[in-house]
Amino acid sequence: QVQLQESGPGLVKPSQTLSLTCTVSGGSISSGDYYWSWIRQPPGKGLEWIGYIYYSGSTYYNPSLKSRVSISVDTSKNQFSLKLSSVTAADTAVYYCARLGVTMMVVISWGQGTLVTVSS
Amino acid sequence: EIVMTQSPATLSVSPGERATLSCRASQSVSSNLAWYQQKPGQAPRLLIYRASTRATGIPARFSGSGSGTEFTLTISSLQSEDFAVYYCQQYNNWPQTFGQGTKLEIK
Repeated sequence: QVQLQESGPGLVKPSQTLSLTCTVSGGSISSGDYYWSWIRQPPGKGLEWIGYIYYSGSTYYNPSLKSRVSISVDTSKNQFSLKLSSVTAADTAVYYCARLGVTMMVVISWGQGTLVTVSS
Repeated sequence: EIVMTQSPATLSVSPGERATLSCRASQSVSSNLAWYQQKPGQAPRLLIYRASTRATGIPARFSGSGSGTEFTLTISSLQSEDFAVYYCQQYNNWPQTFGQGTKLEIK
């Protein structure tokens, strides 16, 4: 069973870069059957796509965040990562890493989520 | 960006009764619509995809219907574990978008 686990700082200062890593276990990130995604959820609010990456490195970013987002993959470590620059309090959220099917673009597996607070 | 609108925002239903949740898309998403369930402190869980196909392990009391812009999630006989927030998601266009959620609470 594939499991995903987010890791990274829980507190980031305004204007700095938020960096998170998702470690995939129980399966290979190089499987061509999946996309690897980041989704966030501000406290008490709904879900927002950030973007996703294919094992080859192809990326798709939400246009609303595109200028600040970078998602990368490290197949040797079975990990993928998120960087979000110039953060503000509005970026405070639970950040989930997730696995999407290539043929059916729905979230098959989720990480447990990690709360990132943007505050000085 | 396609806007997904869910109604109602909160639905109060007694255990054993039927619950009907609605989701409307601002433009057609064909049948590329999924439903997720989220309980407090947990990640969402996929219930339905392709508008009406139950995901692996999802009980038969959950059913989805609709196509185009109008979709419905029906829970036929509510169990205590079904009280949660439900989100619809379109995956017809990028960026994929979620509805704002319907909170299903015990009446």
